[in-house]
Amino acid sequence: GAGVSQSPSNKVTEKGKDVELRCDPISGHTALYWYRQSLGQGLEFLIYFQGNSAPDKSGLPSDRFSAERTGGSVSTLTIQRTQQEDSAVYLCASSLSASGGQETQYFGPGTRLLVL
Amino acid sequence: AQSVSQHNHHVILSEAASLELGCNYSYGGTVNLFWYVQYPGQHLQLLLKYFSGDPLVKGIKGFEAEFIKSKFSFNLRKPSVQWSDTAEYFCAVNPQGDMRFGAGTRLTVKP
Repeated sequence: GAGVSQSPSNKVTEKGKDVELRCDPISGHTALYWYRQSLGQGLEFLIYFQGNSAPDKSGLPSDRFSAERTGGSVSTLTIQRTQQEDSAVYLCASSLSASGGQETQYFGPGTRLLVL
Repeated sequence: AQSVSQHNHHVILSEAASLELGCNYSYGGTVNLFWYVQYPGQHLQLLLKYFSGDPLVKGIKGFEAEFIKSKFSFNLRKPSVQWSDTAEYFCAVNPQGDMRFGAGTRLTVKP
């Protein structure tokens, strides 16, 4: 596609419910990244994928958070038993590869999550 | 663990003023440094990046940044800002793939 797309653009959920956020990277990009941007704070790294594997999951805030990527393309970020502090904008980015950390990351529009 | 500090949370300038946004990082190894910008209502996009070589790097829209290894700094500069530069600016360090961003600096340029 022309750019990174994310869905839904907005999600309102009740505390305790599970949510699934989707990211569709730029075609041909093997690396995919998830970040969280909370009000007044910078971008918090969550996880990245090189292909289908995630070398580093230490950025995930708790075991309620999980992410997967299948087929080397679309990724889903799942938050189980949502809490109010999970409210944030979840950003996805992709790059040609992740090796060496030099590739430009291209960001999607984000999913704005509100947990009531 | 690596971290990035941006000293200014909000900077307000008049058009044609010069801009310098501070960025310091803490990381012991080879660093890849980036500045990203988010214009109102738009996605984050790359302004410039540094890996090696000339420590003064030029980016889009007249921005430049200087890597000073001894100071662990990568400050962003522009000689003369325009109203259209109003945005949020993020400094980032990316050792391997787990990019770490600073908290961001909001720049407001008054016409």
